[in-house]
Amino acid sequence: AQTVTQSQPEMSVQEAETVTLSCTYDTSENNYYLFWYKQPPSRQMILVIRQEAYKQQNATENRFSVNFQKAAKSFSLKISDSQLGDTAMYFCAFGRGTSYGKLTFGQGTILTVHP
Amino acid sequence: GAVVSQHPSRVICKSGTSVKIECRSLDFQATTMFWYRQFPKQSLMLMATSNEGSKATYEQGVEKDKFLINHASLTLSTLTVTSAHPEDSSFYICLIKGNTEAFFGQGTRLTVV
Repeated sequence: AQTVTQSQPEMSVQEAETVTLSCTYDTSENNYYLFWYKQPPSRQMILVIRQEAYKQQNATENRFSVNFQKAAKSFSLKISDSQLGDTAMYFCAFGRGTSYGKLTFGQGTILTVHP
Repeated sequence: GAVVSQHPSRVICKSGTSVKIECRSLDFQATTMFWYRQFPKQSLMLMATSNEGSKATYEQGVEKDKFLINHASLTLSTLTVTSAHPEDSSFYICLIKGNTEAFFGQGTRLTVV
């Protein structure tokens, strides 16, 4: 079974600064996907970024980037130029192979961006 | 536009009654849908995998007689919470697997009084 661990229950950052959210996972699979989802107060889950395990290059999406260390089973999210709208709960998630709808989620990190 | 429509967004029901939650795929046919449950400020836990035309697959510890799942068409899966109790109060959210990514419904906040 897969496990996903987010060791930071809460984080805060000043507007315009950079913050990194940590995520580690454990799996014996070789073909998998990793995701970061954002859940604002509306509770709508929003995909922030995804990474295919077979790709060595770290995924980036505008202000969001990941540091994917496959050997260490680490998948951190870096948010640059933080904005007030980034305030939300962030979940790291693992999906096996093509079964990426059957996701295992971490415990979540509440991120607060201060003005 | 939205890919997944989940309805209702909020429901309050009396203890002992049943509640049906719908998850509809708007853009494509979905042979597989997933139902998750989330308690306040906690993670999402997979409850079951909904398969079109066949029985749902439930995760360990989830009562299949209490959480009835029907996936009768390629665009609609329903979750019925039967004989609801206050401890069933939670946020229920569906997820549809697309070709390259998964899409979440808006979620349903269930309160049992």
